[in-house]
Amino acid sequence: AQTVTQSQPEMSVQEAETVTLSCTYDTSESDYYLFWYKQPPSRQMILVIRQEAYKQQNATENRFSVNFQKAAKSFSLKISDSQLGDAAMYFCAYKGRYNFNKFYFGSGTKLNVKP
Amino acid sequence: GAVVSQHPSRVICKSGTSVKIECRSLDFQATTMFWYRQFPKQSLMLMATSNEGSKATYEQGVEKDKFLINHASLTLSTLTVTSAHPEDSSFYICSAGRTDNMNTEAFFGQGTRLTVV
Repeated sequence: AQTVTQSQPEMSVQEAETVTLSCTYDTSESDYYLFWYKQPPSRQMILVIRQEAYKQQNATENRFSVNFQKAAKSFSLKISDSQLGDAAMYFCAYKGRYNFNKFYFGSGTKLNVKP
Repeated sequence: GAVVSQHPSRVICKSGTSVKIECRSLDFQATTMFWYRQFPKQSLMLMATSNEGSKATYEQGVEKDKFLINHASLTLSTLTVTSAHPEDSSFYICSAGRTDNMNTEAFFGQGTRLTVV
């Protein structure tokens, strides 16, 4: 079975600084997708960034980037120039390539942004 | 982007009654939808996979008779919590993916906060 682990229950960052959230996963599949989702207080899940496992290049979306280490099964999220609106729960998620939208989520990291 | 609408957003019910939660894909067809449960300050736990026109697939430990799922059309899945008890109080979230793209990200509903008193 696939498992996703986030070892940081809570983190804090100063506004405009950079923070990295950690995620590791375990799978026997060779082809899959990894995601970072943001859940603000409204509880609406918002996609932050997506990485295809068969792509070696790390995904980037504006201030958000990932460090994908397939051999180590590691998938960290870097948030640059942190903003107050970035404060939320962040979930790392795994989906098998051929497993239609069946996601496995990590336990989440609460990110606090200090002004 | 695709929109998934979940209704109601909040519901309070008495112990022993049943509650139905709807999940609709508003601008796309979804042959498969997923139901998750989220306890306070915890992650989303997959409860079941809802398949249009067929029986739902439940994750291990999820009571089929307690959580009834119906997926009668390509745009609607319902989760009915039967004979609700206070321990069923939780946040329930559905998700759906576009039928025309197997590899898209999931689109989530706004969630339903169920409180059983």
